[in-house]
Amino acid sequence: AQKITQTQPGMFVQEKEAVTLDCTYDTSDPSYGLFWYKQPSSGEMIFLIYQGSYDQQNATEGRYSLNFQKARKSANLVISASQLGDSAMYFCAMREPIYNQGGKLIFGQGTELSVKP
Amino acid sequence: EPEVTQTPSHQVTQMGQEVILRCVPISNHLYFYWYRQILGQKVEFLVSFYNNEISEKSEIFDDQFSVERPDGSNFTLKIRSTKLEDSAMYFCASSVREGNTEAFFGQGTRLTVV
Repeated sequence: AQKITQTQPGMFVQEKEAVTLDCTYDTSDPSYGLFWYKQPSSGEMIFLIYQGSYDQQNATEGRYSLNFQKARKSANLVISASQLGDSAMYFCAMREPIYNQGGKLIFGQGTELSVKP
Repeated sequence: EPEVTQTPSHQVTQMGQEVILRCVPISNHLYFYWYRQILGQKVEFLVSFYNNEISEKSEIFDDQFSVERPDGSNFTLKIRSTKLEDSAMYFCASSVREGNTEAFFGQGTRLTVV
């Protein structure tokens, strides 16, 4: 079974508008962490934001926020005021349990975001 | 800002040849990883390395693969006898600890097996 599911292969958003990228996950472990990475066309992986399963508040980092709905097992990324430079592939990832032996991340399939001027 | 550095950025090799992909993790990091991404697909975990030994490996990481930290700074991935299906982007990553901390990724090495 897929551990991390990103159901939107591609998304379009108008510059300056907000966009939500969906991510659902599957785990029976109460301790886990959720991460979002951005991969521009140049190929590198850039960390954006982290949410721990025990965190009471939704994570925010500048224009990025994470809409964490634990009961629904979703961790959607919200980008406010989209910029042309936000055009990239976005990956949701999970580490479970949070202190696992190796610290590996399990990635979703990714969502390609295109920002229109 | 400290970063993970990978060399080379692109490598082309003949099927059956050995390749070594090199990485310099961030200096105070203790956990090291290799991931791969076949073109257009998701990022897949290969192996994690801590305290000079493998912590965990995926089923992809078979006997053809090995990792090494030959000195205090480099972290290498060796593929002994490359196959066409090994063609992918290979990412090295490091983190200061496991748990609630992000892994920092290098820019990747694109391996093309012909």
